[in-house]
Formats: sequence, C-alpha cells, structure tokens
Amino acid sequence: NAGVTQTPKFRVLKTGQSMTLLCAQDMNHEYMYWYRQDPGMGLRLIHYSVGEGTTAKGEVPDGYNVSRLKKQNFLLGLESAAPSQTSVYFCASSYTGFEQFFGPGTRLTVL
Amino acid sequence: QQPVQSPQAVILREGEDAVINCSSSKALYSVHWYRQKHGEAPVFLMILLKGGEQKGHEKISASFNEKKQQSSLYLTASQLSYSGTYFCGTEITGNTGKLIFGQGTTLQVKP
Repeated sequence: NAGVTQTPKFRVLKTGQSMTLLCAQDMNHEYMYWYRQDPGMGLRLIHYSVGEGTTAKGEVPDGYNVSRLKKQNFLLGLESAAPSQTSVYFCASSYTGFEQFFGPGTRLTVL
Repeated sequence: QQPVQSPQAVILREGEDAVINCSSSKALYSVHWYRQKHGEAPVFLMILLKGGEQKGHEKISASFNEKKQQSSLYLTASQLSYSGTYFCGTEITGNTGKLIFGQGTTLQVKP
C-alpha cells in the first residue's frame, strides 16, 4: 500500500515552460486535492475533486489546470510557468472529505 | 477569510502544556488540525464538527466554540515528538474537505 505518491519530487522550469504534476493514490479515495505551500503562508488549496471526472476551484486556482480522468489519479498542469509559482506542491486524498492523507510533495522552482 | 492562529510560535520544555488557537470570521462547518514536521507532509490530528462531534487519532484534545468560530488545540505533557508546525484548516460547507488553512503555529519542545 503506497498511499499517496507524487511525481516528480523535484523540478526546475524556466519561465514560460509547461509541466504536469502527477498524484496517484491506491486507497480508493473519492476526494483529491492539490495544495501549494509557501513560507509563512501555510497550505493553500489550488483545485480539488470530489470524484472521478469532477474538478472544482480552490483558493488560488489561477495559472493551474487539473484533470481527474481516473479515480486514482489527479493531475496538476502549469501551462506557462511563472516565478510566482515556485513552491512546494502537495497532493492529498480522502475517503470522506474528513481525514486527508498527504503525499510527500513536489518542490518546483521556476527561474 | 484565512483563519488566524495564535501564537505564531511557542517553545516548551518536555512535560509542559500548550494551547494553540484558531479563529475564523466565517461560520464554520468543521475545523481540522494537522501537524507538519520539517521537510515532511502534513499529518491529520483531529477534526471537530459543528454540533460537537470530534474525531481524532492521537492523544491530543481540542475544542470548537461554534458561537465564536474558534477552536483550540490542547497539547498536554508535551513530548519531543510533538515538535513541528500545527495548522488549523477550516471548512465552511461540508462534505467536500475544501479547507482554508491558517498560517501555522511552530511548536518546539526541548529536553
């Protein structure tokens, strides 16, 4: 049981490049979330999904897109990366929306 | 809309007690508490639901004052393992796990 995994663990992009972060969970959870964490800002919700094929905006969705084509996967896309998107990105999943299980995080730097 | 946590930081000796507060300006459905150790992912501690129900996994207690939209996390007889950053997450509408997190409270427990 791997829990929640994130790919990649680290990434460096140049301004304007695009990339996709992959989150996978093997717990058959309905709910999945993408957060970003910046120093002194806590965790901020980017997008979330309450089931396969559904997505919704969180607190800071601008500049990001998501897809949930399969129940176990939640993808976060950056179409044109900006330095302001330098952050640690965490994915989380939950069975009921109560306890969220977090992945190990992806550290993204945009130059 | 972000909940306010206090204090921002606290230093304790082993065995001492601490209280971390979380205050929101919005009417809340639930309050969630997470702990994050340096370089790691956040880990669920407890959820407090409107109406008084509590669900948690550790020997840490909390309260939720629905009238004041405030929650407090009580750490008693602190251990070295309690060190980390504590976040409260507030949920306004239920059944989505859509959380707005506070900025965090850093707790350091010394021998």
